Amino acid sequence: QVQLVQSGAEVKKPGASVKVSCKASGYDFTNYGFSWVRQAPGQGLEWMGWVSADNADTNYAESLQGRVTMTTDTSTSTAYMELRSLRSDDTAVYYCARDNGVGGPLYPDYWGQGTLVTVSS
Amino acid sequence: QSVLTQPPSVSGAPGQRVTISCTGGSSNIGAGYDVHWYQQLPGTAPKLLIYRNNYRPSGVPDRFSGSKSGISASLAITGLQAEDEADYYCLSYDGSLSGSVFGGGTKLTVL
Repeated sequence: QVQLVQSGAEVKKPGASVKVSCKASGYDFTNYGFSWVRQAPGQGLEWMGWVSADNADTNYAESLQGRVTMTTDTSTSTAYMELRSLRSDDTAVYYCARDNGVGGPLYPDYWGQGTLVTVSS
Repeated sequence: QSVLTQPPSVSGAPGQRVTISCTGGSSNIGAGYDVHWYQQLPGTAPKLLIYRNNYRPSGVPDRFSGSKSGISASLAITGLQAEDEADYYCLSYDGSLSGSVFGGGTKLTVL
């Protein structure tokens, strides 16, 4: 069965960076990309971006351009999301999700369990 | 403020039918991009409910259905059950933003 297992919770200071991992299993990793979605406390879902399985293509939300990098490692079937210059309003649960898009985001179907990132001085 | 507008809340009694709307514009739903729907129970990750406007993934009851017309899409839930109480989100692609976008979410309360 498809499983996405994310890394554990993080506490970071403003200005720092965070890198969240997402290990996939149960399917052919090279056939799907990944979308990353975050949810601030008590708020709705925010689409952050998409990366192809082979790292050849990325598509980032305009609001995060220049601060976010999404990558994959096909040798370990793991996707990564790095967010830099953290601010307090980056405090959120970050989800990775397998995406059915080819060449760009389409729709996520399977989701990780979420990783809480807290930004606080 | 999302480019996809959903009502903040809807409610219905057990057994009733409710619909949740998702209204976009000419750069997203109106441009022909597909709409997908997610259900999020409290404290859990979102779950895919409807993809490509009106397709149900395996395991999703046929009480859930989706439709799309013009610049809007709708999620309908028939035979409302207590376990349907959750937040619901639409998702589509926006050509002007060059990325995907979620609606603001709708909280469904089963009375």
